[in-house]
Amino acid sequence: DAKTTQPPSMDCAEGRAANLPCNHSTISGNEYVYWYRQIHSQGPQYIIHGLKNNETNEMASLIITEDRKSSTLILPHATLRDTAVYYCIVRVASTASKLTFGTGTRLQVTL
Amino acid sequence: GAVVSQHPSRVICKSGTSVKIECRSLDFQATTMFWYRQFPKQSLMLMATSNEGSKATYEQGVEKDKFLINHASLTLSTLTVTSAHPEDSSFYICSARDPAGEVETQYFGPGTRLLVL
Repeated sequence: DAKTTQPPSMDCAEGRAANLPCNHSTISGNEYVYWYRQIHSQGPQYIIHGLKNNETNEMASLIITEDRKSSTLILPHATLRDTAVYYCIVRVASTASKLTFGTGTRLQVTL
Repeated sequence: GAVVSQHPSRVICKSGTSVKIECRSLDFQATTMFWYRQFPKQSLMLMATSNEGSKATYEQGVEKDKFLINHASLTLSTLTVTSAHPEDSSFYICSARDPAGEVETQYFGPGTRLLVL
């Protein structure tokens, strides 16, 4: 699976949009981009995934560049409960392939 | 999303004893489950892949005789830490693969915190 690069930490004011970048310049054509988050002392929570089109669900939006070498997870109105470590993972989805967690981005939402 | 539960949520045991952790998929059938371990301030590390009705596949460096995995049904996988030692103290997290939908996704349990005294 392709490696990803994320900033180690970010801050965001409550109510503002949080934009979390992820670089995956070696992504293959059949690899999806997945986002998970882990709130302190809990198991990771699935957020969203995409292949090449932008995706939106009740939690977030995923913007994937046209060349698919990078993506951005957008939390439109961050709240204190969104404080967590966010993981961007690239993997082939057609197999029982593993999720390989990097170090992620620690998002701190502040008042 | 799909729900995965773990039991117990935390356990304290004496060195040398064995501890069993259960992972259940509550609203879907999971032919494949995964077991992870997370030490403080570190990321999740995959320990093994649990396949229903067959032997688990362990990652390099994980002792299969120490971390026994049983996946006896489509909704239950268990991890038994045998002869636990203080260095086994960690946060153990399972995930289950939901094959439904266009693209399969893994959902995680809430984790089990193990402290070995």
